[in-house]
Amino acid sequence: AQSVTQPDIHITVSEGASLELRCNYSYGATPYLFWYVQSPGQGLQLLLKYFSGDTLVQGIKGFEAEFKRSQSSFNLRKPSVHWSDAAEYFCAVGAGDMRFGAGTRLTVKP
Amino acid sequence: EPEVTQTPSHQVTQMGQEVILRCVPISNHLYFYWYRQILGQKVEFLVSFYNNEISEKSEIFDDQFSVERPDGSNFTLKIRSTKLEDSAMYFCASKPGQGNEKLFFGSGTQLSVL
Repeated sequence: AQSVTQPDIHITVSEGASLELRCNYSYGATPYLFWYVQSPGQGLQLLLKYFSGDTLVQGIKGFEAEFKRSQSSFNLRKPSVHWSDAAEYFCAVGAGDMRFGAGTRLTVKP
Repeated sequence: EPEVTQTPSHQVTQMGQEVILRCVPISNHLYFYWYRQILGQKVEFLVSFYNNEISEKSEIFDDQFSVERPDGSNFTLKIRSTKLEDSAMYFCASKPGQGNEKLFFGSGTQLSVL
């Protein structure tokens, strides 16, 4: 069965610092992997997705993620965090019946 | 960019009452979904719908839930007799086809069961 684990419930980084949010997945075949961001009271916005091909994918807002099959990971990165990046981040695997991770809350310190 | 729209944005109901959450998927999309997110928890898949029938559903989607596409534009989620634990944000989503297309989410309906 497909599942997603986000080991970090809450991460705090300083504005301008680099960011890495971890995601590990379990999936029977080549996974479809996604990162979504949710601001307070808002819906889900797709940051980026991986289906096949280049294992480093670029997304919106300066985010990128790297698919590592050997580690069953799809970690999200950003070289320099902005205060507006503070939100909840969800990793997801699957197609329509996606399975979401529990989320990582990002706090950005001034 | 086209949007999935959901109404109402917030629904308050009494326990035991029926509620219908409404969604208008993007017009040329063929696959429709409902997800829910209980406060502070992860987003959970409820049901997928294609060609006027349910294609997959989770264990959460029991007999109290039903979905319908009553006309060419709306996609509804009905909860027959709401329970306190049904309080959550409900997200509708759609995509054009079965493949790798992006899933478009609505902004959600916050359901509060009192």
